Amino acid sequence: QTVVTQEPSLTVSPGGTVTLTCASSTGAVTSGYYPNWFQQKAGQPPRALIYDTTNKHSWTPARFSGSLIGGKAALTLSGVQPEDEAEYYCLLYYAGAPPWVFGGGTKLTVL
Amino acid sequence: QVQLVQSGAEVKKPGASVKVSCKASGYTFTNNYGMHWVRQAPGQRLEWMGWINTGSGKTKYSQKFQGRVTITRDTSANTAYMELSSLTSEDTAVFYCVREIEVPSKDFDNWGQGTLVTVSS
Repeated sequence: QTVVTQEPSLTVSPGGTVTLTCASSTGAVTSGYYPNWFQQKAGQPPRALIYDTTNKHSWTPARFSGSLIGGKAALTLSGVQPEDEAEYYCLLYYAGAPPWVFGGGTKLTVL
Repeated sequence: QVQLVQSGAEVKKPGASVKVSCKASGYTFTNNYGMHWVRQAPGQRLEWMGWINTGSGKTKYSQKFQGRVTITRDTSANTAYMELSSLTSEDTAVFYCVREIEVPSKDFDNWGQGTLVTVSS
């Protein structure tokens, strides 16, 4: 069974920088996994932030960026704002089955 | 603008089936798009359930839900459907539809508002 792992929780100070990662049990994550990142606030549906590793949507704040770091997909927030406190999920594509798997989510606290 | 509007909350008994709809607007429903369905139990992670290409009608399902889930679409109504059978209390969850721009870059860009399904005797 394919497992996608994220940090369960992270804490960052306002104005700081934090990197969330997304690892695959099958090995290194590459651009071929088409990493997507989503933000979910309590009681709301998820909102798309990043697709295809690095691409932002028109509504994605400039402080969010996607990359690959050390064999993982990564989401970096630079200049964190209080409103960035949320759960963040990654989604990876596998060419065979399943083919899509979500990570377990990272709860980001801004404190 | 793109909108995905889902049907309303449902209460079902164990063993029953539920069918959730997702009406799309603001784009051409059948052009290189997929529609995915995602389950989120209370306080839990997102789970990918399955996908339909809204042009061809081709589907793929998660092994976890294989045999219980059926995803269809009605191109005349710009609507996708997810039917889940043999419901148990573990299926109490919010179900989301999500549009994917399949070409060129597998972009999950728009989510429906979610449909709460409660399974209770």
